[in-house]
Amino acid sequence: DAKTTQPTSMDCAEGRAANLPCNHSTISGNEYVYWYRQIHSQGPQYIIHGLKNNETNEMASLIITEDRKSSTLILPHATLRDTAVYYCIANFGNEKLTFGTGTRLTIIP
Amino acid sequence: DAGVTQSPTHLIKTRGQQVTLRCSPKSGHDTVSWYQQALGQGPQFIFQYYEEEERQRGNFPDRFSGHQFPNYSSELNVNALLLGDSALYLCASSFYREGNTGELFFGEGSRLTVL
Repeated sequence: DAKTTQPTSMDCAEGRAANLPCNHSTISGNEYVYWYRQIHSQGPQYIIHGLKNNETNEMASLIITEDRKSSTLILPHATLRDTAVYYCIANFGNEKLTFGTGTRLTIIP
Repeated sequence: DAGVTQSPTHLIKTRGQQVTLRCSPKSGHDTVSWYQQALGQGPQFIFQYYEEEERQRGNFPDRFSGHQFPNYSSELNVNALLLGDSALYLCASSFYREGNTGELFFGEGSRLTVL
């Protein structure tokens, strides 16, 4: 799996959009970009994934650059419950996920 | 609809002992993966079971073994425990299909402390 690089931590004001960046410059053409999050003391939760096109679901939007070397996860209206560690993962879809240390997102009231 | 359930939630063992952790997958799922998460780190893949066989394995020693039962539930066994085995052990389930794109459902984990 391609290596991903994320900022260690970020803050976002409650109600604003949280934009979490991820670099994956060595990603292969058939590797997906996955995002998971882990709220304290819970198991990771799947958020969204994509290959080439931008994706949106009820939780978030995923914007992948045209060269696929980076992506951004967008939480449109952050709430306090979105405080968590967010993991960006490049994977071929074989479910052997390689988690890094992620971005610790703190939503500020 | 029950999600992924794991037991026990917490346990304490001493070095050299053996431990068995259990996992019931989400209803309708047939594939179980196990991950180890040390404090302050992201989860690390141990292995995956499908059709009662180990399909994939991460970089873990043979002290880590597993089993999947006909009802798709799974066990993780760790022998000869070391202090470094202290971690949160996570079980994740999914439904296998060709071209599977890997959305995993995780349990809350079993926290193992080795003294």
